[in-house]
Amino acid sequence: NAGVTQTPKFRVLKTGQSMTLLCAQDMNHEYMYWYRQDPGMGLRLIHYSVGEGTTAKGEVPDGYNVSRLKKQNFLLGLESAAPSQTSVYFCASTAELGSYNEQFFGPGTRLTVL
Amino acid sequence: DAKTTQPTSMDCAEGRAANLPCNHSTISGNEYVYWYRQIHSQGPQYIIHGLKNNETNEMASLIITEDRKSSTLILPHATLRDTAVYYCIVRVLLRGSTLGRLYFGRGTQLTVWP
Repeated sequence: NAGVTQTPKFRVLKTGQSMTLLCAQDMNHEYMYWYRQDPGMGLRLIHYSVGEGTTAKGEVPDGYNVSRLKKQNFLLGLESAAPSQTSVYFCASTAELGSYNEQFFGPGTRLTVL
Repeated sequence: DAKTTQPTSMDCAEGRAANLPCNHSTISGNEYVYWYRQIHSQGPQYIIHGLKNNETNEMASLIITEDRKSSTLILPHATLRDTAVYYCIVRVLLRGSTLGRLYFGRGTQLTVWP
């Protein structure tokens, strides 16, 4: 199993450009998450999904959109990139709702917006 | 509004035990304590979790106080590869949802020196 994979690994955008980050998991997990991590900070939740076809906002959703058309994929879109969105983006997935909630993380996408 | 408090940094000699403390005084009765680590900007990696009993696995031991207001992660024989940021986490319910997510604060930077 590959676990959680993310593409691309690195990207540089100009202000106003758009892009989509892809997260894929092969563990048949129901729940998927997108986080961002800024230098010296912990992870902040952008959006999450509780199953195919569903998405919801996390704590920092502004400027991002997501889609979960297939169970194994969770896409994060930036419609008009801004320098404040320069960050490392992590995707995670987990199998079950409940008190035990181990999340499996991807390797991250490092995004720079000029 | 992190639910946990950790020291910003610690260091440890290689081969010695690393003891990482965490305070979680507002933890609810059915909430687990999780520990993750993040090595050099990679995706966070699960270490261990516990509810009220001490736990041990191949990576570490988790000691939770009887009142559950604090815990200690123990790496029994630290190696240079254990240098990482260690996150002590309790699950936070997402607003308007029964779905919990892991709230990552800033963690403890553990440096293992030769």
